[in-house]
Amino acid sequence: EAGVTQFPSHSVIEKGQTVTLRCDPISGHDNLYWYRRVMGKEIKFLLHFVKESKQDESGMPNNRFLAERTGGTYSTLKVQPAELEDSGVYFCASSQDYSPRGYIQYFGAGTRLSVL
Amino acid sequence: GENVEQHPSTLSVQEGDSAVIKCTYSDSASNYFPWYKQELGKGPQLIIDIRSNVGEKKDQRIAVTLNKTAKHFSLHITETQPEDSAVYFCAPIQKLVFGTGTRLLVSP
Repeated sequence: EAGVTQFPSHSVIEKGQTVTLRCDPISGHDNLYWYRRVMGKEIKFLLHFVKESKQDESGMPNNRFLAERTGGTYSTLKVQPAELEDSGVYFCASSQDYSPRGYIQYFGAGTRLSVL
Repeated sequence: GENVEQHPSTLSVQEGDSAVIKCTYSDSASNYFPWYKQELGKGPQLIIDIRSNVGEKKDQRIAVTLNKTAKHFSLHITETQPEDSAVYFCAPIQKLVFGTGTRLLVSP
């Protein structure tokens, strides 16, 4: 069974450009999460999809970030226009269940975004 | 807001030694305590977890202990091996807050 896959693995763009990151969750996982880790800091939650709906987008930093999950399968995260502070590693994760009592998330390898 | 602290930030040990990483959290409502391991070029992977009704859980060389009263839980790795070298994250408020990570280096 394939794990969570992310594309591209690394993206280098200039400030002001647009970048789209893609995440393919594990098949059958309704829950999909986006996170990012900026250099040396903690992993921060961005948003959570349940199927195609945004369950929680409280971590999205600003309106330059747009996440979609049309059809409830793969998801994209677009940054437009990119700023220097957007550089970091963007992780996607998926889970079959979601419960405050605990659930297992499976992470992709991440996309390293470098904004120059 | 939620506050999660992880110590130490870096830990260097000799192969065969034990390693302990501690995670302190502030949200008393937390009831699920996972530890993730992130190897170079990979995403975080769950290695062990514990629920609030259990004080300790062990899986071969790794164990997690929980002190809910003091609001901290720890990862214990015994008989460390070079392949244990990675960054370890705690996530006591899963989805919302991860620890800052501990870089473990095991020297042969």
